[in-house]
Amino acid sequence: DTAVSQTPKYLVTQMGNDKSIKCEQNLGHDTMYWYKQDSKKFLKIMFSYNNKELIINETVPNRFSPKSPDKAHLNLHINSLELGDSAVYFCASSQDLQHPRNIQYFGAGTRLSVL
Amino acid sequence: QKEVEQDPGPLSVPEGAIVSLNCTYSNSAFQYFMWYRQYSRKGPELLMYTYSSGNKEDGRFTAQVDKSSKYISLFIRDSQPSDSATYLCAMSDLIKAAGNKLTFGGGTRVLVKP
Repeated sequence: DTAVSQTPKYLVTQMGNDKSIKCEQNLGHDTMYWYKQDSKKFLKIMFSYNNKELIINETVPNRFSPKSPDKAHLNLHINSLELGDSAVYFCASSQDLQHPRNIQYFGAGTRLSVL
Repeated sequence: QKEVEQDPGPLSVPEGAIVSLNCTYSNSAFQYFMWYRQYSRKGPELLMYTYSSGNKEDGRFTAQVDKSSKYISLFIRDSQPSDSATYLCAMSDLIKAAGNKLTFGGGTRVLVKP
C-alpha cells in the first residue's frame, strides 16, 4: 500500500489550461504539504495544511489553490497554466507539526509539462 | 545566496568506498536536520533525522551536525551501486507557526561504480 499517493503521475497540457493534482495519504497524518521541484532539483515548499487549516502559503501565485476536503487529502488546482509552471510537484505528509512527529513522507511526484 | 548550499556533484566513487556529503546553511534558527535520498523519477525518502548538534549512526549511514559552523554531513560506508541517487539535505526551525517548513539544499548526485 502506497502511503502518500499522487495522481496523475504525468500531466502534459497547453498554456492557459486549468488542471488539478490529487494527493491522498493513508498514514492517519494531520499535516500535508505541497512542494515544487524545479529543473535544477531544488525542492521548495508551496503550502502546508494542518487539520485542514492552511498554515503555510509560501508566496505562491494565486493561480495555485490548494483544497483539503479532509485530513487525508490535499489537492492542488492550477488555473491559467504558464510555461514556468512546468516542474515536478510533490505531496508530503507528517503526523503533525511538532518534533518528533514532524517527519515528512513524500509521494512519488507529478511531472507537469506545460506546452 | 541560498539559505542551504549543497554541491550538485556528480560525486563518483568505486563500490566499497566511503561517500562523504555535506551542506552549509546560513539560518542559525535551524534545529532539525534531515537527509533524504531521491532516486530518479521518485519521491524523496528519509534517511536520517537529527536534532541539534552531534552525530547519529544508522547502519552504514552516519549524520553529523555542527551548528557552530553551520555545517552538516552524511557519510555512507561500504557504498553499493544501489546507493547511486541524489542526496538532499533539509532543515527546519520547527516553530509551530512556521508550519514545519523544510528548506532543502539542491541535492548531490552520487554514482557508485561496481
